[in-house]
Amino acid sequence: KAGVTQTPRYLIKTRGQQVTLSCSPISGHRSVSWYQQTPGQGLQFLFEYFSETQRNKGNFPGRFSGRQFSNSRSEMNVSTLELGDSALYLCASSSSQGALGTEAFFGQGTRLTVV
Amino acid sequence: KQEVTQIPAALSVPEGENLVLNCSFTDSAIYNLQWFRQDPGKGLTSLLLIQSSQREQTSGRLNASLDKSSGRSTLYIAASQPGDSATYLCAGPLGGSYIPTFGRGTSLIVHP
Repeated sequence: KAGVTQTPRYLIKTRGQQVTLSCSPISGHRSVSWYQQTPGQGLQFLFEYFSETQRNKGNFPGRFSGRQFSNSRSEMNVSTLELGDSALYLCASSSSQGALGTEAFFGQGTRLTVV
Repeated sequence: KQEVTQIPAALSVPEGENLVLNCSFTDSAIYNLQWFRQDPGKGLTSLLLIQSSQREQTSGRLNASLDKSSGRSTLYIAASQPGDSATYLCAGPLGGSYIPTFGRGTSLIVHP
């Protein structure tokens, strides 16, 4: 059974640009949640999508958005990048709604560097 | 503000020791609590999930307990091995929501 796949693994962007990250969940999983990990703030929840609908959202500005497709694949978009957006972005998939409500399977992450 | 605190922040032990990692949270109505392992630069691996109706879960050399009344969870690692070296995080949805809150983690080094 394939795991959670995140692409790309590494990304370097310039301030002011926008970026789109992709996450393919485990087959059959309908919940995808996104997280930002930085040395200063630790791991923080961004949002969760279940059946193509955003179900929960963390405390992040509107520059951070996402969507989920009918095949459960999810994308996360960050517009007008700031230096502070440099982080490891992780996604996780689970079988039911509620990020971490059931066993969560994480991808390897996308390392975003904003210069 | 709902918080999850992990103590100690770092731990270095010789191989073979039994370890206790602590996680405390501010919400006694926690929905569940999950322990994860993270290797440097990698994603998280779920180790144990304890539902609110459960008191503990076991997997191999790992045992996790949950005491909602005191706001604490403990991860016990028996007979530690160098391969256990990683950062261990606990997390759960707090405040009656589905929004998970993570601790800052315990960085564990097990030396041969």
